[in-house]
Amino acid sequence: GENVEQHPSTLSVQEGDSAVIKCTYSDSASNYFPWYKQELGKGPQLIIDIRSNVGEKKDQRIAVTLNKTAKHFSLHITETQPEDSAVYFCAATLNYTGANSKLTFGKGITLSVRP
Amino acid sequence: GAGVSQTPSNKVTEKGKYVELRCDPISGHTALYWYRQSLGQGPEFLIYFQGTGAADDSGLPNDRFFAVRPEGSVSTLKIQRTERGDSAVYLCASSSKSGLGPDTQYFGPGTRLTVL
Repeated sequence: GENVEQHPSTLSVQEGDSAVIKCTYSDSASNYFPWYKQELGKGPQLIIDIRSNVGEKKDQRIAVTLNKTAKHFSLHITETQPEDSAVYFCAATLNYTGANSKLTFGKGITLSVRP
Repeated sequence: GAGVSQTPSNKVTEKGKYVELRCDPISGHTALYWYRQSLGQGPEFLIYFQGTGAADDSGLPNDRFFAVRPEGSVSTLKIQRTERGDSAVYLCASSSKSGLGPDTQYFGPGTRLTVL
């Protein structure tokens, strides 16, 4: 089955700096890659996603890039703010429009933004 | 609109007891997923429902775990003879399966299960 690895496990940045979080996946057939943000005591919240036929997607301060050849994708957050502090999970699925889009998640990274 | 809701938010039980965890998906969402999140880990898939039927239960760890969705909306995850290793946050997610793009899954806040 699919295996998603996420690194580093923790990341601390100064407010206003950029943060980059990287994930790798094992199954080249995976075709959809969402990123979730999870705050303490809450469920994961989708912040951005990318399909396998797209190399990059941007939404205001957040962007995601995908390298299918290397089987890795990255989350980029610019102009970080203290409220960006949370745990971020990457995920992958083999079947984004099919009957079962179960997600395989990475272990998560704790991002801390220092004021 | 209302998101995915889960009850209870916290459940403390004793080893060997039976528990039920409830999930109310977003209205109209036909697909429902259960995941389990252990401390410091990402969510792990348990079971997927399309409508009333469990289309994929390959993630259930053993036969003590069972889930139902009798009317294609609310789902209940049932755990028999709980063990301390079952302690985790149980997350529910739903999606619309509109067929018009990625199947975005929306998560509930989870139920934190503690088995003493």
